[in-house]
Amino acid sequence: DAGVIQSPRHEVTEMGQEVTLRCKPISGHNSLFWYRQTMMRGLELLIYFNNNVPIDDSGMPEDRFSAKMPNASFSTLKIQPSEPRDSAVYFCASSLLGRYEQYFGPGTRLTVT
Amino acid sequence: KQEVTQIPAALSVPEGENLVLNCSFTDSAIYNLQWFRQDPGKGLTSLLLIQSSQREQTSGRLNASLDKSSGRSTLYIAASQPGDSATYLCASGGFKTIFGAGTRLFVKA
Repeated sequence: DAGVIQSPRHEVTEMGQEVTLRCKPISGHNSLFWYRQTMMRGLELLIYFNNNVPIDDSGMPEDRFSAKMPNASFSTLKIQPSEPRDSAVYFCASSLLGRYEQYFGPGTRLTVT
Repeated sequence: KQEVTQIPAALSVPEGENLVLNCSFTDSAIYNLQWFRQDPGKGLTSLLLIQSSQREQTSGRLNASLDKSSGRSTLYIAASQPGDSATYLCASGGFKTIFGAGTRLFVKA
């Protein structure tokens, strides 16, 4: 299996622009997680889905952030409008439903200027 | 609210030394405890996962233990090598996954 795939790997954008991050989970996995990692706050869970349904989005920092999972093989995390403080590495991870290992993608490094 | 703490924050050891990384959590109602490795500028690689009903897991030179009653997990690395240099993170699995801040390990050749 190719593992969790994220795109783009790097994104540089100007403040106020819309940013869309994409994730393809491992085939057969039915839980998907979006994380954000910064030096100040470490790794934070933003939202996770079970069977394409959002279960907990309490980690989403503001209404500017939204996530969707239209099918079992694709998810997006959108920031609109973006701000410099959104600069971070965003990771997507997937697992089998329940209490199993999470497998991480390589991350998207977002820089908002 | 679950809090996960890792001690020490950084560790430097000579090659060949056995070492222990510590992880503590405040809420013992966890599904599992997972240890990850992260190399600079890279994603996270899963090392070991211990289910709540288990006490330890082993993989090669790595051994992880879990004591829910005391809210502690340890990652033991035997015969450390320079290639083990990385940041090691633990994560408590429950309704939400909570990560510790990590221990940055440097193994000197």
